[in-house]
Amino acid sequence: NAGVTQTPKFRVLKTGQSMTLLCAQDMNHEYMYWYRQDPGMGLRLIHYSVGEGTTAKGEVPDGYNVSRLKKQNFLLGLESAAPSQTSVYFCASSYPGTALRGTEAFFGQGTRLTVV
Amino acid sequence: QKEVEQDPGPLSVPEGAIVSLNCTYSNSAFQYFMWYRQYSRKGPELLMYTYSSGNKEDGRFTAQVDKSSKYISLFIRDSQPSDSATYLCAIFPPNDYKLSFGAGTTVTVRA
Repeated sequence: NAGVTQTPKFRVLKTGQSMTLLCAQDMNHEYMYWYRQDPGMGLRLIHYSVGEGTTAKGEVPDGYNVSRLKKQNFLLGLESAAPSQTSVYFCASSYPGTALRGTEAFFGQGTRLTVV
Repeated sequence: QKEVEQDPGPLSVPEGAIVSLNCTYSNSAFQYFMWYRQYSRKGPELLMYTYSSGNKEDGRFTAQVDKSSKYISLFIRDSQPSDSATYLCAIFPPNDYKLSFGAGTTVTVRA
């Protein structure tokens, strides 16, 4: 019963390098999200997806790209890492919600990324 | 203006105290409100949710919504050191797909 699994858990990058963060969920959820968490800023949405093959921009999308080729996977890419992208990245998934029914987001354990 | 605002604290209380956490939201159309708890170096987990106005209790935790003032609150009675965590309020806007979170308040309960 894995839930949401993020890979890797830690990474140090040099400025300008690229990397991909992988998120996998085994709950058959339609929706998936990538957030970044910085001190005093809470969780800020980078990109999200409401189904396989679809993606959309969130609050802070610049410098990131995403892909959802399979329903269970959501990839976050950094093409040219910058020190401002040093953060803890969380992936989450949920079933479709409504304003009345709401929904519950299930989070992974996070990826701690440092860009030097 | 962010959809939901939360004082990031931090908040430090002695064991047994009542912890009071608050958020304000911007859109009166919101109807579904949540509190997530996040332990250090872990992902957030849903703690409680409420609909519309009113209170909801779950053991030592009470979630409260005041739609007239657009205010949501979480109370922790008889706080324990194990309650030390970051608490994030969240809203699910109507006609939208994404949860919006407050900044989170870090709570430390001292033994």
